[in-house]
Amino acid sequence: DVKVTQSSRYLVKRTGEKVFLECVQDMDHENMFWYRQDPGLGLRLIYFSYDVKMKEKGDIPEGYSVSREKKERFSLILESASTNQTSMYLCASSFVVAPYEQYFGPGTRLTVT
Amino acid sequence: AQKITQTQPGMFVQEKEAVTLDCTYDTSDQSYGLFWYKQPSSGEMIFLIYQGSYDEQNATEGRYSLNFQKARKSANLVISASQLGDSAMYFCAMREGGGGATNKLIFGTGTLLAVQP
Repeated sequence: DVKVTQSSRYLVKRTGEKVFLECVQDMDHENMFWYRQDPGLGLRLIYFSYDVKMKEKGDIPEGYSVSREKKERFSLILESASTNQTSMYLCASSFVVAPYEQYFGPGTRLTVT
Repeated sequence: AQKITQTQPGMFVQEKEAVTLDCTYDTSDQSYGLFWYKQPSSGEMIFLIYQGSYDEQNATEGRYSLNFQKARKSANLVISASQLGDSAMYFCAMREGGGGATNKLIFGTGTLLAVQP
């Protein structure tokens, strides 16, 4: 069965802390994605990776970085968390070839105080 | 610029009735794909249905069908015989371009569906 897991469902951090969100997939997918979801804004792409050590910025990369050292693992890093990064973070993965659907993890609800 | 528009922030439907969730898209690509995802209150995004731009038939998956009207750039989701478990947020999404390494999706803002007994 297809599986994408995220390290935490809920996370509370303080302003200025460095935050790591981990995502692991077991489907041997080439592509991995990080989104943030905010009410009324839908899902917005932060970063994606199409191969190990390869990454590209999405629509809202400011304040975030990513790491992909192994094919199955994609990490999102908040270098210095701020209150406006309070959000739901969703990780997804997909194959490069059709049918292209992305499989999502359960999400991490991050609160920065 | 590529864009997905969902104009219905929220909808109600009676149990066992059919409901249509609207989605329009904007793209200059000839090859693209359209997806619908369901997000229950638990938060996980569940893939429902996919339509490729070159697919001649409308996609169907069980009680879900996608009403694809290419000339109007619309890709509405039809749920037949609504069930209480269909209450969720529904997102329309479009894959940019003809495939390849990136396969990025652009999402709409979602429609919150409430099924009433």
